[in-house]
Amino acid sequence: GQSLEQPSEVTAVEGAIVQINCTYQTSGFYGLSWYQQHDGGAPTFLSYNALDGLEETGRFSSFLSRSDSYGYLLLQELQMKDSASYFCAVGQGSYQKVTFGIGTKLQVIP
Amino acid sequence: DAGVIQSPRHEVTEMGQEVTLRCKPISGHDYLFWYRQTMMRGLELLIYFNNNVPIDDSGMPEDRFSAKMPNASFSTLKIQPSEPRDSAVYFCASADRNYGYTFGSGTRLTVV
Repeated sequence: GQSLEQPSEVTAVEGAIVQINCTYQTSGFYGLSWYQQHDGGAPTFLSYNALDGLEETGRFSSFLSRSDSYGYLLLQELQMKDSASYFCAVGQGSYQKVTFGIGTKLQVIP
Repeated sequence: DAGVIQSPRHEVTEMGQEVTLRCKPISGHDYLFWYRQTMMRGLELLIYFNNNVPIDDSGMPEDRFSAKMPNASFSTLKIQPSEPRDSAVYFCASADRNYGYTFGSGTRLTVV
């Protein structure tokens, strides 16, 4: 089976940097993804890491260490609109099968 | 593209009734997924299709749940009979061979 662990809640100040960690256990690991979901909305894809290292997309970066079964999402220059839930998700096998973590609720405060 | 389209957006039904949720994936995407989201269990994968063929339905909770994909542009998730514990938001998502799902807006199901 698979399991993912991420903090349930994080609070950060507008303009600051926040890191959301994710550890996972799975067989047939195929990559780590991150999704953002605003209250009442649908999850939206943010990033994907298949190999070790850092991927940067604007203010968001995602990191993966396959040997440590660990990844994180880094959000820089936080804005109020970044207040949302962030899910890490593990891809497994060859068929795009993805299991989602329970999500981290990020609250950005002024 | 209009994205993944789900209907209805909201559904309120009485226990024991049949519920059918509908999904139109993005054209050209050959994977389609049905997820259920609740506060307690988060996002759970129910079933997914590749090229209209069901690949893994191990997440379907009971025989009361069934899903079909008769063609590349349409899928249904049916619950019969529905129960109050089925109340959740049901998401459909589609993807191609590049990682990254596109989710529909979801159907909020309430069974009373």
